[in-house]
Amino acid sequence: GEDVEQSLFLSVREGDSSVINCTYTDSSSTYLYWYKQEPGAGLQLLTYIFSNMDMKQDQRLTVLLNKKDKHLSLRIADTQTGDSAIYFCAESPDMRFGAGTRLTVKP
Amino acid sequence: DGGITQSPKYLFRKEGQNVTLSCEQNLNHDAMYWYRQDPGQGLRLIYYSQIVNDFQKGDIAEGYSVSREKKESFPLTVTSAQKNPTAFYLCASAAIPISGANVLTFGAGSRLTVL
Repeated sequence: GEDVEQSLFLSVREGDSSVINCTYTDSSSTYLYWYKQEPGAGLQLLTYIFSNMDMKQDQRLTVLLNKKDKHLSLRIADTQTGDSAIYFCAESPDMRFGAGTRLTVKP
Repeated sequence: DGGITQSPKYLFRKEGQNVTLSCEQNLNHDAMYWYRQDPGQGLRLIYYSQIVNDFQKGDIAEGYSVSREKKESFPLTVTSAQKNPTAFYLCASAAIPISGANVLTFGAGSRLTVL
């Protein structure tokens, strides 16, 4: 079946940029999403991008989409310790999620 | 405040018992979803519903059952047939988009531990 894949861990230093990557297989995906999960909590939407766009910027967040390669990335500029969380990519219409990337930000 | 509420937050049960997890939303959303989260496996869809009195199986529906008698409520029953029920369960809801993004609002989750 269709799948969404992410690497499981990323560690960066405070102030650096973080780049979290995601690949998906469903060529009929219409929107791609990034969600953030704090420990023991539900997911919160960070941002999303329409599949016909290749970039979206929202303050410290930049989403890049390569539709040909089915590759999505989330760049967090000036990463802070409060950004430490698990980040999930997802696609619609099936609302299929990746395994999540645990971002650790070291002071 | 509008939102989605899951209860209980923590639940312990003995093997072989059925348990029901509650999910209520006051966002007037038509669609509701149940996901299961296991470490390193992300979220897997159990069931979803787009309208009252109708629901569809997700990828891992075996051993689970749901009902959607009211728009606001989508309870999940973990039955004794579920082989490995210990997990973190997440409920979500969404307005069904005519076109555009399908943005899910998640509850805070329910952690079920089967002893």
